[in-house]
Amino acid sequence: QVQLVQSGAEVRKPGASVKVSCKTSGYTFTSYYLHWVRQAPGQGLEWMGWINPNNGATNYTQKFQGRVSMTRDTSISTAFMELSSLKSDDTAVYYCARRDSFGSGSLDFWGQGPLVTVSS
Amino acid sequence: DIQMTQSPSSLSASVGDRVTITCRASQSIVIYLNWYQQKPGKAPQLLIYGATNLHSGVPSRFSGSGYGTDFTLTISSLRPEDVATYYCQQTYITPPTFGQGAKLEIK
Repeated sequence: QVQLVQSGAEVRKPGASVKVSCKTSGYTFTSYYLHWVRQAPGQGLEWMGWINPNNGATNYTQKFQGRVSMTRDTSISTAFMELSSLKSDDTAVYYCARRDSFGSGSLDFWGQGPLVTVSS
Repeated sequence: DIQMTQSPSSLSASVGDRVTITCRASQSIVIYLNWYQQKPGKAPQLLIYGATNLHSGVPSRFSGSGYGTDFTLTISSLRPEDVATYYCQQTYITPPTFGQGAKLEIK
């Protein structure tokens, strides 16, 4: 069965960086785009960007340009999202999610989402 | 960016009720509209994709409709396990954007 298992909760100080992993199984890693979506406490869902695991191509939303880096390691079917220059309002749950194969662009499987807390 | 507006933002209904949540896009998104259910403390789960298609394993009491700018998620007969926040998402134009969510509670 399809599974996306993410790394655990993190605490960082303002100005630091955090790297979240997303280990996939149950499907061909290179065949599906992976998206990253975050959710601040008590708030809605915010799309951050995607990576094409086949060739490493990425697309980031403008808000995070220059601060976010999405990478992958095909040998271990794992994607990574690194966010730098952290601020307190980056405190959020960070989800990875697989884009569907239906052509609709929906996100059909999600990781459990670790909480990243940014606090001095 | 395309703005997605859901209504109502919160609602309360009784078990067995028919429940409808609407989602309006700021411009036409054809049928590129998806619905997700998020239970407290859990990741979102896909319910409906392409406006009307039920994702595998989703109960048939959930259905979606709409085209262009106006879309609807319907629960035909509310069950206690449907307590959740529901989000719509457009995937017609990048960046994909979500509605603000509709929190559903049981009376």
